[in-house]
Amino acid sequence: AAGVIQSPRHLIKEKRETATLKCYPIPRHDTVYWYQQGPGQDPQFLISFYEKMQSDKGSIPDRFSAQQFSDYHSELNMSSLELGDSALYFCASSLGGQGDEQYFGPGTRLTVT
Amino acid sequence: GQQVMQIPQYQHVQEGEDFTTYCNSSTTLSNIQWYKQRPGGHPVFLIQLVKSGEVKKQKRLTFQFGEAKKNSSLHITATQTTDVGTYFCAVSRANNLFFGTGTRLTVIP
Repeated sequence: AAGVIQSPRHLIKEKRETATLKCYPIPRHDTVYWYQQGPGQDPQFLISFYEKMQSDKGSIPDRFSAQQFSDYHSELNMSSLELGDSALYFCASSLGGQGDEQYFGPGTRLTVT
Repeated sequence: GQQVMQIPQYQHVQEGEDFTTYCNSSTTLSNIQWYKQRPGGHPVFLIQLVKSGEVKKQKRLTFQFGEAKKNSSLHITATQTTDVGTYFCAVSRANNLFFGTGTRLTVIP
């Protein structure tokens, strides 16, 4: 069965640079979520999209933005990167919104040096 | 915001021993989900509980939702080395999930 695809899997950037993470949800899933997980931490919700519209917003810094495109893939854009942005970034998708199980991608490991 | 406390933070067990992790909330929950994350992996959905007092089983795993819908537990009977990982409870609110702090399980062969 198709799973959530994330690219790249690993990314190394320097401080103040920008990064773009991509997420391709499971086919026919209409909701995409982004999470940030620091070392030894639980995943922290950043933002979600339902049918290409932003549906909920969590602890996403103003330096970050995201969108969902017509083909339902989503991109997380991160600017003015800081050392503290180093983390695993997970994308998840679901069919429907609230209360539905979420399927997580393998994650993108971002390292800011 | 939604605060969900999970205990214990770490648990080391001998293979074959049982394991339980608890999730507690100060407010009534509409539902609770459980996820497992293997070391270096991504969270994988295990189950969702919705009804007060609900109990669900998956092989050696037993999930419970409290009568007041403020707490939940995951119990593993006779742990195996494949059970290693971090177990998270998560609360669904709007279009997001609030994760508990997780319990990292180590199984000693």
